[in-house]
Amino acid sequence: GEEVAQTPKHLVRGEGQKAKLYCAPIKGHSYVFWYQQVLKNEFKFLISFQNENVFDETGMPKERFSAKCLPNSPCSLEIQATKLEDSAVYFCASSPGRGYQETQYFGPGTRLLVL
Amino acid sequence: AQSVTQPDIHITVSEGASLELRCNYSYGATPYLFWYVQSPGQGLQLLLKYFSGDTLVQGIKGFEAEFKRSQSSFNLRKPSVHWSDAAEYFCAVAPGDNNAGNMLTFGGGTRLMVKP
Repeated sequence: GEEVAQTPKHLVRGEGQKAKLYCAPIKGHSYVFWYQQVLKNEFKFLISFQNENVFDETGMPKERFSAKCLPNSPCSLEIQATKLEDSAVYFCASSPGRGYQETQYFGPGTRLLVL
Repeated sequence: AQSVTQPDIHITVSEGASLELRCNYSYGATPYLFWYVQSPGQGLQLLLKYFSGDTLVQGIKGFEAEFKRSQSSFNLRKPSVHWSDAAEYFCAVAPGDNNAGNMLTFGGGTRLMVKP
């Protein structure tokens, strides 16, 4: 597709429950990024993929967060045992490649609310 | 590590007035620079970007931005603001090393309000 698609749009979970978010990058884009936008608009980088391989995971809270990008499937971000502070909007972005093609295009986001 | 500062948290302008949103970055070399806009409840839309070359770049919706290396700035401008421009604006940088997969570092955003 020509746009980054994210599902679901909204997700409500009780503390301790699992949350799984999905992202379909723009067709032909090799790189996928996940960002977390918390209150006060702060964006935090979580993880990036080059095709199905993890490229940079320096932002991932590894004890509860995991992510995958498998061939012919949407990418996913999973949070085991959600906590209140995981409430945020999670954005996925994709980019074609390097240099001038490094522009990241963002999806509409998934708003996660942990109660 | 790079960082981005947007000094103005809120800006209010009258419809038809000109606009300038400030962005300052900290990075050892020339980064790639971006401006995104986020309408309420929406995702991020790319307004414009700078990679190299002409330091004045044109974007969508009548926006432009000027890269000033000496001031480490990439300010966004629009000559005449429309009510539909009310939104949150984010400046972002990525290492200008021609490598792919670099994460973006965002500023804290500037909320633009437009008075009729």
